[in-house]
Amino acid sequence: GDSVTQMEGPVTLSEEAFLTINCTYTATGYPSLFWYVQYPGEGLQLLLKATKADDKGSNKGFEATYRKETTSFHLEKGSVQVSDSAVYFCALGPNTGNQFYFGTGTSLTVIP
Amino acid sequence: KAGVTQTPRYLIKTRGQQVTLSCSPISGHRSVSWYQQTPGQGLQFLFEYFSETQRNKGNFPGRFSGRQFSNSRSEMNVSTLELGDSALYLCASSLRSGGEETQYFGPGTRLLVL
Repeated sequence: GDSVTQMEGPVTLSEEAFLTINCTYTATGYPSLFWYVQYPGEGLQLLLKATKADDKGSNKGFEATYRKETTSFHLEKGSVQVSDSAVYFCALGPNTGNQFYFGTGTSLTVIP
Repeated sequence: KAGVTQTPRYLIKTRGQQVTLSCSPISGHRSVSWYQQTPGQGLQFLFEYFSETQRNKGNFPGRFSGRQFSNSRSEMNVSTLELGDSALYLCASSLRSGGEETQYFGPGTRLLVL
């Protein structure tokens, strides 16, 4: 069945470091892919999305490219800030069914 | 447009009690999904409703149930609460237009079972 595998955390980076959080998926068909972010004590917020192969989603300096050949959707940011400290979730949108699938989440801490 | 709202935000119950949580989706959204989030298990899918019908269900015991009303608002109920039910319960809504779908989440209800 459909599934998402996400890089284990926690990840700790210094401010202005480069960030990569790996995400790979298993799915038949062509589902949409998403990254969500969760700040402490809050729900998940949509960070970015891509709806088809080779699409690049971007928002707030974060980017991810839908790579069908490697079934990946890695999240990147060139220079992280302390305010980026949060938990990041990769997700797969409805495909042949109606369900979304989420990764286990990757906790990011950025230190000054 | 107002976002997804969930009430109450915090709840404390004791074992054996039951609880009802409420979710109001974004206006026009017809699909509502519920998730349980715990530190140990991550984000786990409970069920999804569309037009008052449950279309998908996760692997949870029958103590967890839900419903959706004609205005798309949804409630979930947990009966005979156990300590392990302590979690953040998240609701998400989506348009279900048949094309591209995006889920939007509410702030969650934090349930503590004592």
